[in-house]
Amino acid sequence: DIQMTQSPSTLSASVGDRVTITCRASQSVSTWLAWYQQKPGKAPKLLIYKASSFESGVPFRFSGSGSGTEFTLTITSLQPDDFATYYCQQYNSYPYTFGQGTKLEIK
Amino acid sequence: EVQMLESGGGLVQPGTSLGLSCAASGFTFSSYAISWVRQAPGKGLEWVSGISGSGDSTYYADSVMGRFTISRDNSKNTLYLQMDSLRAEDTAVYYCARVGPTTYSIYWGQGTLVTVSS
Repeated sequence: DIQMTQSPSTLSASVGDRVTITCRASQSVSTWLAWYQQKPGKAPKLLIYKASSFESGVPFRFSGSGSGTEFTLTITSLQPDDFATYYCQQYNSYPYTFGQGTKLEIK
Repeated sequence: EVQMLESGGGLVQPGTSLGLSCAASGFTFSSYAISWVRQAPGKGLEWVSGISGSGDSTYYADSVMGRFTISRDNSKNTLYLQMDSLRAEDTAVYYCARVGPTTYSIYWGQGTLVTVSS
């Protein structure tokens, strides 16, 4: 199975900050990597698919990059609505594993 | 518009069975692999099971292998998850998701809650 490791687990930041979340795969997943945002009691919301493809309707302050085993999600100019938990998921090969999540908190 | 709607969740006792359904619309259902993903209370996301577009190939997480069965009816645009020998640790919100290595986007349903408790 491919293990996905996200860092950091918790991130404290302020409105207007630029933040980066990293996701590392234990073996190559090519670019089959998605990023989700989740708020309490809600379904995950897709932000980025295929490592860097923007999901329709998602603000352009969210961007993804990477390929192979190293991926990043960058949020420029944090907004109050962005404080949530973020997950990466590889869908290169079954089982389609998730990272453990990164909780983005207000500093 | 792509829509995926789960149903069938509820409260069941340990050791019993429950079946979930996921009704899909807005795309050619038989062309896409679909997965079930769950989230236990206060925990992260866990991929549970997947099935190819034709239904010929199925995949399971080790935690549910031998207890859960995924299937699909492409004539009804519906995905199923039969859950047997349920355990307390199967308590979670279960989501269906159209996800797979294609150039197209990913879609999730809103989830259905399964509670296993005596």
